[in-house]
Amino acid sequence: ETGVTQTPRHLVMGMTNKKSLKCEQHLGHNAMYWYKQSAKKPLELMFVYSLEERVENNSVPSRFSPECPNSSHLFLHLHTLQPEDSALYLCASSQDLVGGPTEAFFGQGTRLTVV
Amino acid sequence: EDQVTQSPEALRLQEGESSSLNCSYTVSGLRGLFWYRQDPGKGPEFLFTLYSAGEEKEKERLKATLTKKESFLHITAPKPEDSATYLCAVQASGGSYIPTFGRGTSLIVHP
Repeated sequence: ETGVTQTPRHLVMGMTNKKSLKCEQHLGHNAMYWYKQSAKKPLELMFVYSLEERVENNSVPSRFSPECPNSSHLFLHLHTLQPEDSALYLCASSQDLVGGPTEAFFGQGTRLTVV
Repeated sequence: EDQVTQSPEALRLQEGESSSLNCSYTVSGLRGLFWYRQDPGKGPEFLFTLYSAGEEKEKERLKATLTKKESFLHITAPKPEDSATYLCAVQASGGSYIPTFGRGTSLIVHP
C-alpha cells in the first residue's frame, strides 16, 4: 500500500461511453500526476497538477479530461475513446514538483480496455 | 532533451546468480535519479533516489549506484520474488522538472 488509491482497478468501456477514473492520495503531497502505460512503451506523462493547478499537459487528446478538485483527489474523465487508448492508467503523487522530495509514489493503476 | 536508456531489455537469472541492470542517462543537470520496481498489472513501487555521483543506496538484495553518466542496480543472490520490471527515471535540475522514464528491464529469476 503506497498511500495512493485508484478506482476502479479494471474498466471495460465502449467507444461511445463516458467514464471517470478516480485517484486519492493520503500522503499530504502537493503534486499529482496521470500517466499512461502501454505495452513495451515507456511511461507517458499525461497531466501534472501542483496545488490543484494544472502545470503540464503533454498534448493529450481532448477525449481525456482531468480534474483536480483538491490536493488529495484527481480524476480523469474519459469520453469517446478509441481502442488504441486501451492501457494501464497510473496516478502518482509527490511531495512537490521542485524544492523538496520529488520522488513519485504510484497507485496500482486502472487497466482500461476500450471495445 | 533528457534521455534514459535501460539495458538489458530483459534478463533471466538463476536463483543466487548476481547481476546488474544499467541505466544510462543524458540530462542537462541531474536533480535526481529514481529506481522503481513494477510487478505485472501493478503500479511502480519506489525503491531509491540518488542525487549525486558516487552515491550508493541499499535495500535488502538491491544496491543502486550512480556516476555522472549512468546508474547501476546491483542484485545480489536474487530470489524468484525479485522477478519484476525495474524502471529508472531522471529528473533534471533545470528546464522541465518532470521525470523522464526509461523502458525498463524485465528481470526473471528462476528457482
